[in-house]
Amino acid sequence: EVQLGESGGDLVQPGGSLRLSCAASGFPFSTFPMYWVRQAPGRGLEWVSAISQSGVDTYYADSVKGRFTISRDNSKNTLYLQMDSLRAEDTAVYYCAKIRSPTFGEFYFDYWGQGSLVTVSS
Amino acid sequence: DIQMTQYPSTLSAPVGDRVTITCRASQSISIWLAWYQQKPGKAPKVLIYKASSLESGVPSRFSGSGSGTEFTLTISSLQPEDFATYYCQQYNSLPYTFGQGTKLQIK
Repeated sequence: EVQLGESGGDLVQPGGSLRLSCAASGFPFSTFPMYWVRQAPGRGLEWVSAISQSGVDTYYADSVKGRFTISRDNSKNTLYLQMDSLRAEDTAVYYCAKIRSPTFGEFYFDYWGQGSLVTVSS
Repeated sequence: DIQMTQYPSTLSAPVGDRVTITCRASQSISIWLAWYQQKPGKAPKVLIYKASSLESGVPSRFSGSGSGTEFTLTISSLQPEDFATYYCQQYNSLPYTFGQGTKLQIK
C-alpha cells in the first residue's frame, strides 16, 4: 500500500526557516519524480515544487523560487522541502504527492500525504 | 505558465441533479487534464485523468470530456457524498497548475 507522510510543519516567524519531510513507502520511490503542493487556509491548491528521480533536476513555482529547496534521499525513501525567508503568504498545508506513472506520461497525482501545516506569523 | 480557469466557483444543486463544471486552459494541453475532489480537512482525490478516463474505484456517475483548451466534469446524478470542492489540473507542462476550484453545495 502506498503511503506518504509529511512532518515538520510548525509555527515560524516571518523571515524564518523550516524543513518539511515526506516519508514514502509502498512503491519504488527512487523511480518516481516527487512533488510538493500547498493549500493556504480556505484557498485552492497551488503546485509548489518538483524533483526528478535522481534529484538532479528541480522545479519551482515563481512564488517560492530562490527561497525553497526541494531535495530527496532515495536511500531513506524521503522527500524534503527546505523553506527559507518565510513569509505570511507561505502559510498553508503542504502536501507531498506522487504521480501515477512517469513511464507512460501519467503525470497526475494518484497519492497524496495527509498534509503538514506551516504557519508563518509573528 | 499555463493558466487554468475553472467555473463556476460555486454551484448549488439538489441530490439527483446533473451538474457540469468547466475548466479552460490558456493554451492547448491536449488531453493532459485531471479532475480532483477534495473534502474539508482531507487531501484531494483523483476522479478523472487524461481528460476522460475514470480512475479506478470512482463511481461511473463521474465523467470527463474535452481536449485542447476546454474541458468539463459532469456528475450525472448527485449523491450526498459528492458535495465537495472540485479542481482541475493540467499536467501537460510544468508547473502543473490547478484551477481555482468549484465548491459544490447542497441546494
